[in-house]
Amino acid sequence: DAGITQSPRYKITETGRQVTLMCHQTWSHSYMFWYRQDLGHGLRLIYYSAAADITDKGEVPDGYVVSRSKTENFPLTLESATRSQTSVYFCASSLDRDYEQYFGPGTRLTVT
Amino acid sequence: KQEVTQIPAALSVPEGENLVLNCSFTDSAIYNLQWFRQDPGKGLTSLLLIQSSQREQTSGRLNASLDKSSGRSTLYIAASQPGDSATYLCAVKGGSGGYQKVTFGTGTKLQVIP
Repeated sequence: DAGITQSPRYKITETGRQVTLMCHQTWSHSYMFWYRQDLGHGLRLIYYSAAADITDKGEVPDGYVVSRSKTENFPLTLESATRSQTSVYFCASSLDRDYEQYFGPGTRLTVT
Repeated sequence: KQEVTQIPAALSVPEGENLVLNCSFTDSAIYNLQWFRQDPGKGLTSLLLIQSSQREQTSGRLNASLDKSSGRSTLYIAASQPGDSATYLCAVKGGSGGYQKVTFGTGTKLQVIP
């Protein structure tokens, strides 16, 4: 399917486990982003990538790792999940730096 | 640090009314501002993007304006419909934190009553 997809849509994991959230876009957009959305904090940028093999930290990067070996994929890994990482995670992409961001449907992650 | 404020947090209007949603930001050195809508349990849908050099953008019943010097943007919705009910978010890109710094407001929850 065309567009931007995220998987899984829902995930429950235990504290200390490693979790990887997947993001895939079919538009060949250069930029990709990961956000988390929490009540009281709104949306906050975790990491972004300007192109394959180029990534940079956002506002709240601690506890997360990203990679981008292919333009279309931008996985987000929680190396050792904590309860504070319970959130809804959104992936987004944009054609280039001055263009609109398009969001995926989100992944609801619960860490128990 | 860029701060983005959206007032009011919630708004309820009868169908057919014209309405204005507000977005204020503290650092005027922005690159662009984007308006989104978010339906419950869903992702964000892009509505309008205004570059820093632009004053306004229009799409259908929506019109967004930008006044960088005063740190304000407004989203005007004409002839509101029940399908417009959603949370509206503005996102500011740029500021002293760097080009790719994106700061979201916490949103205005709009309810349009039939």
